[in-house]
Amino acid sequence: DQQVKQNSPSLSVQEGRISILNCDYTNSMFDYFLWYKKYPAEGPTFLISISSIKDKNEDGRFTVFLNKSAKHLSLHIVPSQPGDSAVYFCAASAGSGYSTLTFGKGTMLLVSP
Amino acid sequence: DVKVTQSSRYLVKRTGEKVFLECVQDMDHENMFWYRQDPGLGLRLIYFSYDVKMKEKGDIPEGYSVSREKKERFSLILESASTNQTSMYLCASSLTGGRYEQYFGPGTRLTVT
Repeated sequence: DQQVKQNSPSLSVQEGRISILNCDYTNSMFDYFLWYKKYPAEGPTFLISISSIKDKNEDGRFTVFLNKSAKHLSLHIVPSQPGDSAVYFCAASAGSGYSTLTFGKGTMLLVSP
Repeated sequence: DVKVTQSSRYLVKRTGEKVFLECVQDMDHENMFWYRQDPGLGLRLIYFSYDVKMKEKGDIPEGYSVSREKKERFSLILESASTNQTSMYLCASSLTGGRYEQYFGPGTRLTVT
């Protein structure tokens, strides 16, 4: 059973506009959430994270919002740039000491000029 | 600068061969992980290790084993490679404590013919 779901396999956005990537989770024990970005033939790179005690975290053009009651988080990219075109993975941790993460299946973002 | 390196970027092996994938991190991280990434399936955890000589099964350990003789090195072993093990293999490391991001290597694209 998928505990972290990214229901949109792909998203297309024009340069300069906002990109919104969504993620839902089912495990109430998850209390730390991360977004990773992955280019083809490269490993994922960490983008931004949020703890369950917050509802928003911002880093430059990237903002993550967490709605615990809905078990939903979203990543906003403003403004979107062609270099943001990549696969974005949502991941969640239940706070175990081993830092294991459960990943979603990813959303491919395409930002066109 | 943090670094996770993997021994090969591309590897082609024959069915039945024993395959070793090596991963080295230079960040003195306690935890190390092996994932495989397949289209439409996201990242799936194969094994992880939280200390030297310690290992734990992930979600899909069948057909794989691991070895961690030194803190900085984590090896993934395919005892008898099969075509359904053709995949992108990603190694990651992290500090322990449940609130730390994982740092990924560049990946090894393994093809089993």
